[in-house]
Amino acid sequence: DAGITQSPRHKVTETGTPVTLRCHQTENHRYMYWYRQDPGHGLRLIHYSYGVKDTDKGEVSDGYSVSRSKTEDFLLTLESATSSQTSVYFCAISAGGDSGYTFGSGTRLTVV
Amino acid sequence: AQTVTQSQPEMSVQEAETVTLSCTYDTSESDYYLFWYKQPPSRQMILVIRQEAYKQQNATENRFSVNFQKAAKSFSLKISDSQLGDAAMYFCAYRSDYNQGGKLIFGQGTELSVKP
Repeated sequence: DAGITQSPRHKVTETGTPVTLRCHQTENHRYMYWYRQDPGHGLRLIHYSYGVKDTDKGEVSDGYSVSRSKTEDFLLTLESATSSQTSVYFCAISAGGDSGYTFGSGTRLTVV
Repeated sequence: AQTVTQSQPEMSVQEAETVTLSCTYDTSESDYYLFWYKQPPSRQMILVIRQEAYKQQNATENRFSVNFQKAAKSFSLKISDSQLGDAAMYFCAYRSDYNQGGKLIFGQGTELSVKP
């Protein structure tokens, strides 16, 4: 979507390797979120951020870390990828209040 | 913690007919927002409709409308005059207060197919 980009769009990696996914926004929104989507589970929150260097865990945060050193970038890192982390990852942004959410196009990550 | 449940993994509707997708949620909050998102095969998340809990009137957007029953914690989506382009995965979502980060909590999704 306009104003938010995720990279890469697809990635295949080996078990045990580190992986970083990037979410970049040009909207200057305060809130940023990382979700993973798996069949039968919908989208589940991994981590979120409510400002630069302000982050918190979601419901499925084990094995993931995040960083937000600038308003526009929210990085999701898998320190040592496992096959259970094969999924589609979505980033979302929100300005807060009554504003809505804008989602990125998703990253399909395959861990082999 | 809030939860959202969509009990229909798959639904099917004939083109031009009406279909209703179910969603229930659990929360102790009194003020919140509810959403329906559509996800076509392109993977893009598209907002279909949203409802503010403090509004008694059900939200409508063209062929899409909701039946919001706050006491029952139910939020169903009705699609009228179904079109082939409505075929997609539909997610119900609850937004918590921004004091808790404004997180969206999603249901499991309902895969809607539309038969010509």
